[in-house]
Amino acid sequence: QKEVEQDPGPLSVPEGAIVSLNCTYSNSAFQYFMWYRQYSRKGPELLMYTYSSGNKEDGRFTAQVDKSSKYISLFIRDSQPSDSATYLCAMRDSGGSNYKLTFGKGTLLTVNP
Amino acid sequence: DGGITQSPKYLFRKEGQNVTLSCEQNLNHDAMYWYRQDPGQGLRLIYYSQIVNDFQKGDIAEGYSVSREKKESFPLTVTSAQKNPTAFYLCASSIHRERGELFFGEGSRLTVL
Repeated sequence: QKEVEQDPGPLSVPEGAIVSLNCTYSNSAFQYFMWYRQYSRKGPELLMYTYSSGNKEDGRFTAQVDKSSKYISLFIRDSQPSDSATYLCAMRDSGGSNYKLTFGKGTLLTVNP
Repeated sequence: DGGITQSPKYLFRKEGQNVTLSCEQNLNHDAMYWYRQDPGQGLRLIYYSQIVNDFQKGDIAEGYSVSREKKESFPLTVTSAQKNPTAFYLCASSIHRERGELFFGEGSRLTVL
């Protein structure tokens, strides 16, 4: 079993739809959870950051972490064509001096006008 | 503006040649990273450095070399020993603290002819 599993999509939705992106993981030591957005031929940019379990909201974006199920989600409300990108989940534990992130493979999202 | 600058953006190389990708950051971050991104494979860690004059191999270091002589700079050399070097290369940095989120450059696309 891979450490982080992410549905690669592609996911295509109409403008205004609610989008749900998900990752599952196997390492119970993961404490820090991130979502990155990557436009085509660009570097990823940090979208959301969550520590441990719970929800975090930022505008149209909501990140959820359920550590008991080892499952994280990113919800996008009122999706826009500008949200069309690849979304990567990433996570790490808090142990020692190892600051390596483990990434999912990314989900390609297209929002159609 | 603070950020991470990667150059060149596009690079073509003949088989058997070494090539060096540049990465410079003015964020005053301690840690720097190199990732490789291939379609369907997600981000894979090549090398990382937490302080000047020190660096560690990541998951796919074979055929690559790095140096960290200055805090701001972390160049990556793709050597002729790398069997499949055509890829999108991403440099990142992070504050060497608990959170560990990465900030990425715009990437360098290397094509071997």
